Amino acid sequence: SQQGEEDPQALSIQEGENATMNCSYKTSINNLQWYRQNSGRGLVHLILIRSNEREKHSGRLRVTLDTSKKSSSLLITASRAADTASYFCATDPIIQGAQKLVFGQGTRLTINP
Amino acid sequence: DTEVTQTPKHLVMGMTNKKSLKCEQHMGHRAMYWYKQKAKKPPELMFVYSYEKLSINESVPSRFSPECPNSSLLNLHLHALQPEDSALYLCASSPRRYGSGATDTQYFGPGTRLTVL
Repeated sequence: SQQGEEDPQALSIQEGENATMNCSYKTSINNLQWYRQNSGRGLVHLILIRSNEREKHSGRLRVTLDTSKKSSSLLITASRAADTASYFCATDPIIQGAQKLVFGQGTRLTINP
Repeated sequence: DTEVTQTPKHLVMGMTNKKSLKCEQHMGHRAMYWYKQKAKKPPELMFVYSYEKLSINESVPSRFSPECPNSSLLNLHLHALQPEDSALYLCASSPRRYGSGATDTQYFGPGTRLTVL
């Protein structure tokens, strides 16, 4: 079964607005990662947040992690057309052992010019 | 060199063909992965190699046969595939050996788009 569920499944906003995507998971984790995938291409790693961290920033990206609620969010500020992509959270469930990522269903983000 | 390369980019094959997908990384990574991704779905793990040894096989049908000839190269041999095997096949690598602790960042190749007729 899928560890991560993402919300919303699809999001369409205007360029310059902020985009927020959420990820919920079921079991305890070592860390949580976010990846971006442009249409039909490989995945690009965005951020890794460890289970003892609550927030991380990278450029226009902000990721939060709430282990008590088993949820994470990815915020993209001042969105650009180039941010149009699918975004996946990926967890590393402790119960399943190390170095095995389980991906959520993804959020398809469209930035309208 | 900080990328994972995959060849070919596209592959069309019949159900009786034998073909191979190739993946290379020159980052000195110790773990390499094959994923299968159907349209509008997340990647699904197929195989994990660590130090050129198979560490995980996610109950993948035997018509998919992985091979890791050296630490930089990963192949996926395909034989007698079915139309439902059509998908994007992604290769990835990560720095540490499998099982050495919490998950590393994985570096993905661009994928091979496979169509089985």
